Amino acid sequence: SAVISQKPSRDICQRGTSLTIQCQVDSQVTMMFWYRQQPGQSLTLIATANQGSEATYESGFVIDKFPISRPNLTFSTLTVSNMSPEDSSIYLCSVEGLGRMGEQYFGPGTRLTVT
Amino acid sequence: LAKTTQPISMDSYEGQEVNITCSHNNIATNDYITWYQQFPSQGPRFIIQGYKTKVTNEVASLFIPADRKSSTLSLPRVSLSDTAVYYCLVGGAFGNEKLTFGTGTRLTIIP
Repeated sequence: SAVISQKPSRDICQRGTSLTIQCQVDSQVTMMFWYRQQPGQSLTLIATANQGSEATYESGFVIDKFPISRPNLTFSTLTVSNMSPEDSSIYLCSVEGLGRMGEQYFGPGTRLTVT
Repeated sequence: LAKTTQPISMDSYEGQEVNITCSHNNIATNDYITWYQQFPSQGPRFIIQGYKTKVTNEVASLFIPADRKSSTLSLPRVSLSDTAVYYCLVGGAFGNEKLTFGTGTRLTIIP
């Protein structure tokens, strides 16, 4: 299995600022995913990030708001730009499974509060 | 992607067997059914995946009828530590594909 860490684990930010969330994996993986989970809600996919190519964004998410970097096979960042209180959520990264078919591994998440 | 429908919440006593049913009427021929578990303040964790009939692993069983329009996750002899949200997903078989999460079922185990 893969071990995923995220930094920061939580943060409180002022509206209008930006926050960059880091996702580090202990194995090389091709596919990485970024999700958002609003309070008490399910997970929503933001984008898919492959190394060496631009991220693919889901409907309702745009690169200007959520720029993503994927500089190598073990690391990715998600930036939440020009934040508003509506961006208060948990942001999670996940990677393709390296063991059982159909399995993805998720990071612990970054809890973001925008005031 | 096929939409899934699950009960919003369920309660069960410790030591009981818990069955959570998921409806996926529009499942495609090449879709698999996957279940994830999420504890508070953690990311989801893979439980089990199946295509048809029955699949069993060390933590759960998955029952899928012949028409594949529903599936049932079975947790044997639950304990308090099984209190979590359980998500049923329908889609590709491989972990390198994007996942579409439904509302999930919040399972509460009562001592």
